[in-house]
Amino acid sequence: GQQLNQSPQSMFIQEGEDVSMNCTSSSIFNTWLWYKQDPGEGPVLLIALYKAGELTSNGRLTAQFGITRKDSFLNISASIPSDVGIYFCAGYSSSNSGYALNFGKGTSLLVTP
Amino acid sequence: GAGVSQTPSNKVTEKGKYVELRCDPISGHTALYWYRQSLGQGPEFLIYFQGTGAADDSGLPNDRFFAVRPEGSVSTLKIQRTERGDSAVYLCASRSGANVLTFGAGSRLTVL
Repeated sequence: GQQLNQSPQSMFIQEGEDVSMNCTSSSIFNTWLWYKQDPGEGPVLLIALYKAGELTSNGRLTAQFGITRKDSFLNISASIPSDVGIYFCAGYSSSNSGYALNFGKGTSLLVTP
Repeated sequence: GAGVSQTPSNKVTEKGKYVELRCDPISGHTALYWYRQSLGQGPEFLIYFQGTGAADDSGLPNDRFFAVRPEGSVSTLKIQRTERGDSAVYLCASRSGANVLTFGAGSRLTVL
């Protein structure tokens, strides 16, 4: 499947700081998704993006579908301790059967009070 | 059900044994997916079902891995002659009409 490069690999920040992470793909994607995974749980959807250039917010989270359709970013504003977890970008192109997603390797976020 | 349910949540087995992992998708979701997640990695696609048939099994690593979904709802992932390298979290997901995958909590497999 397509390779997704997600960065940074990990972040260690203080409560109240803003966070930015991004993802690039080797091919054009039709959909970008951002998931969060807590220990012992499956990934939970945060934001879904369906159109190039789309900017979507969900509370303190904002994500954008890049114009080139090969990248996406996720921003978290005013981080709080419960933001701790692993954030994954995911997406699919027209070559993915049945909307099966390709995932990045994740960004591990630690927030100190 | 309200969410995707996976059992067992944890399975410890010995090398060479046979293992079955079960997934009960969200009611009404016709598409079901299995993923494998190794430590420190993102989920990797294994197989996708549309209804009862495996529409794409290109992610299965070898012929020791097999999955079924006989009635188009519950699915079982079967692993024969388990190896230590099979140790991972096996995630199941089902898909809504918005083309978004909803995941279960996973089955953690440890092969000793």
